[in-house]
Amino acid sequence: GDSVTQMEGPVTLSEEAFLTINCTYTATGYPSLFWYVQYPGEGLQLLLKATKADDKGSNKGFEATYRKETTSFHLEKGSVQVSDSAVYFCALSDPGGSYIPTFGRGTSLIVHP
Amino acid sequence: NAGVTQTPKFQVLKTGQSMTLQCAQDMNHEYMSWYRQDPGMGLRLIHYSVGAGITDQGEVPNGYNVSRSTTEDFPLRLLSAAPSQTSVYFCASSYIGQEQYFGPGTRLTVT
Repeated sequence: GDSVTQMEGPVTLSEEAFLTINCTYTATGYPSLFWYVQYPGEGLQLLLKATKADDKGSNKGFEATYRKETTSFHLEKGSVQVSDSAVYFCALSDPGGSYIPTFGRGTSLIVHP
Repeated sequence: NAGVTQTPKFQVLKTGQSMTLQCAQDMNHEYMSWYRQDPGMGLRLIHYSVGAGITDQGEVPNGYNVSRSTTEDFPLRLLSAAPSQTSVYFCASSYIGQEQYFGPGTRLTVT
């Protein structure tokens, strides 16, 4: 079945540092890939998405590129802020396979001033 | 659009009590689902539905019932609450295969 693996946290950075959160996936079809963010005390919200190979999703300074050859969708940001402290979830949906989305376990990011 | 709404935001139950967590969406999404989130466990799927009258079990369905009589509403029923059901519950909806829209969550404590 489909699966998503993301790096375990917490990831602790100083403000303005470069961020990478790794995400790899397995899927039988041609999935769409997503990053969601969960701020403390809130539900998950979509951060960015990519629907086909080589697409780059971007939002709020975050980027991720859909790499079919390495089955990866790593999240990056050039300069993190304290307000980026949250839990980040990588996920996939495979319209050609199971319609149930598959989520990674989440990676906690803590940014210090 | 209100998006996905959940009520209540907080609830405390005694062991053995029953209750219903409400979830509604106004985006005409076919797919709706319930998750529980526990520390270190990520999101675990409880039940899901792909349309009115159609529901199915997820990863951790025991102790929970659902029904979907309309496109908009997808309530989750706890039949006889147990301390192991203390958790944060999220409802989500989407068009099939598309991004999920999550509600704000219900924080449930069972004593």
